[in-house]
Amino acid sequence: NAGVMQNPRHLVRRRGQEARLRCSPMKGHSHVYWYRQLPEEGLKFMVYLQKENIIDESGMPKERFSAEFPKEGPSILRIQQVVRGDSAAYFCASSQGATGELFFGEGSRLTVL
Amino acid sequence: TQLLEQSPQFLSIQEGENLTVYCNSSSVFSSLQWYRQEPGEGPVLLVTVVTGGEVKKLKRLTFQFGDARKDSSLHITAAQPGDTGLYLCAGAAGGTSYGKLTFGQGTILTVHP
Repeated sequence: NAGVMQNPRHLVRRRGQEARLRCSPMKGHSHVYWYRQLPEEGLKFMVYLQKENIIDESGMPKERFSAEFPKEGPSILRIQQVVRGDSAAYFCASSQGATGELFFGEGSRLTVL
Repeated sequence: TQLLEQSPQFLSIQEGENLTVYCNSSSVFSSLQWYRQEPGEGPVLLVTVVTGGEVKKLKRLTFQFGDARKDSSLHITAAQPGDTGLYLCAGAAGGTSYGKLTFGQGTILTVHP
């Protein structure tokens, strides 16, 4: 049973470009969470999604960041016009239900030059 | 905003020694989780404590949730080099989602042979 799959594992972008990070939850999981881990900081909650719905985006920056979890396909975290401060590891986690155990992916490491 | 203060930030000990990591907050959490994260990987859940005063044991690891559900500790007995890693505590506010976690900054543990 495959775990949470994230890709790409590493992404390099120049300032002003767009970054798209993908997350396929564990089989049978319909709840997806995105977290960001900045250098020297802990994991910070960004957004919680269920299929086709954003449930809680209180941790998302108001501009340039968006997330979706379509009916078919992976969840996408999109960062437009990236800046150096966006450089971080972005982790996706999934759970079977709202109160289920979280399973984390291996993360996508974004470097903005 | 809920905060979790984790201490110490760094811990370097010799094999066979005991250690305790602390996680403190002024906020009440419905549950508290402990994760371990290896370099280049995502966090892996070790344990979830839910009830105030609860104690859980996982081999040489003992986890305790404070009576008021505001703090927790992780105690490792007779540490081994294989215990080396980043340990994270995370609190869930509860409500509609247990996956929206507030993480501590982590404790980097190094156990020397």
